[in-house]
Amino acid sequence: GENVEQHPSTLSVQEGDSAVIKCTYSDSASNYFPWYKQELGKGPQLIIDIRSNVGEKKDQRIAVTLNKTAKHFSLHITETQPENSAVYFCAARQAGTALIFGKGTTLSVSS
Amino acid sequence: SAVISQKPSRDICQRGTSLTIQCQVDSQVTMMFWYRQQPGQSLTLIATANQGSEATYESGFVIDKFPISRPNLTFSTLTVSNMSPEDSSIYLCSVEDSGTGGLEQYFGPGTRLTVT
Repeated sequence: GENVEQHPSTLSVQEGDSAVIKCTYSDSASNYFPWYKQELGKGPQLIIDIRSNVGEKKDQRIAVTLNKTAKHFSLHITETQPENSAVYFCAARQAGTALIFGKGTTLSVSS
Repeated sequence: SAVISQKPSRDICQRGTSLTIQCQVDSQVTMMFWYRQQPGQSLTLIATANQGSEATYESGFVIDKFPISRPNLTFSTLTVSNMSPEDSSIYLCSVEDSGTGGLEQYFGPGTRLTVT
């Protein structure tokens, strides 16, 4: 089955800096790669996703890149703000199956 | 995107008892999932629940411990049976629904369970 590795487990940045979180997956059949943000006491919130037919996707200050050959994908947050502080999870799946999650990255943005 | 609600939002239960968690979706969805998130950990899939068929459980999870019902396309329940302190976790309902670019997976707010 699918296995997703996520790094780093914790990340501390200064406000305005960029943050990058990286994930690798094992199943070459996986074709959907979402990122979730989870704030304390809340359920995971989908913030951006990418499918296997594209290499990059942007939404304002957030971007995701995908390298299918290497089986890894990354989340990029530019101009970080304190409200970006949360736990971020990457996940992967193939059509018709449930998401398998990485272990999460705790991002702290200090002002 | 689907809006998901869960009841209860939190509970404190005695060991040996059972708790049923309800998940309600504001639209009809085919695929529903139940996840467990232990304190400070990632999300682990318990089972996939499709309407009209038996739930499919992941390795390490069994129907006797986590019975699931899926009576229609907007509702599901997960029961945590004969609870022990090790069952203290957040239990999350999730659904697959149409998003901006295709099928996406959304999560409810979770049920925070503490077993004493």
